[in-house]
Amino acid sequence: DAGITQSPRHKVTETGTPVTLRCHQTENHRYMYWYRQDPGHGLRLIHYSYGVKDTDKGEVSDGYSVSRSKTEDFLLTLESATSSQTSVYFCAISERENIQYFGAGTRLSVL
Amino acid sequence: SQQGEEDPQALSIQEGENATMNCSYKTSINNLQWYRQNSGRGLVHLILIRSNEREKHSGRLRVTLDTSKKSSSLLITASRAADTASYFCATETQGGSEKLVFGKGTKLTVNP
Repeated sequence: DAGITQSPRHKVTETGTPVTLRCHQTENHRYMYWYRQDPGHGLRLIHYSYGVKDTDKGEVSDGYSVSRSKTEDFLLTLESATSSQTSVYFCAISERENIQYFGAGTRLSVL
Repeated sequence: SQQGEEDPQALSIQEGENATMNCSYKTSINNLQWYRQNSGRGLVHLILIRSNEREKHSGRLRVTLDTSKKSSSLLITASRAADTASYFCATETQGGSEKLVFGKGTKLTVNP
């Protein structure tokens, strides 16, 4: 998966607990993205980063925050998880022409 | 909101047949890309076509782009069982600041 590692791969948590998902890349790509994938909705952008400490909101950013303190790491935090955030989360990276390379995904269940 | 919409939502064909998937979008674009997703895996980039291009080939893949109709098609020739996957179009809108907007995908099943 193009030098991208997502962790954890699976997580079950309870409503109201904080959750952090990690995306780590070894490609030194400038751009990093977090998406969620849900049946009937396809892939939707949550947040993205265009450099260290430079981030911006995507289409479905409410309830999520991100941080990028190093080029290689992009963290997605659910401050207080809700059942509507049960989903599969994908990280992606890109460098040129916005061709994106995806991680294997994190399956998150919020009970 | 979704920029690209794929059609059909699902397609089932026999091995050796051609598969055609279509994508329509709403706003002006810089480029349009197609991705494949095997079950339980991340998306994989297949091909990119720029707004000033009309057709592009890569192996058994042929992509066309009609900017006047805001539509694209992906043709997979001589399909194989291994082509079974979901296929997504993604558009980079003009002034879109390095973001892609994905469609909901076409689920292709190739029967042996």
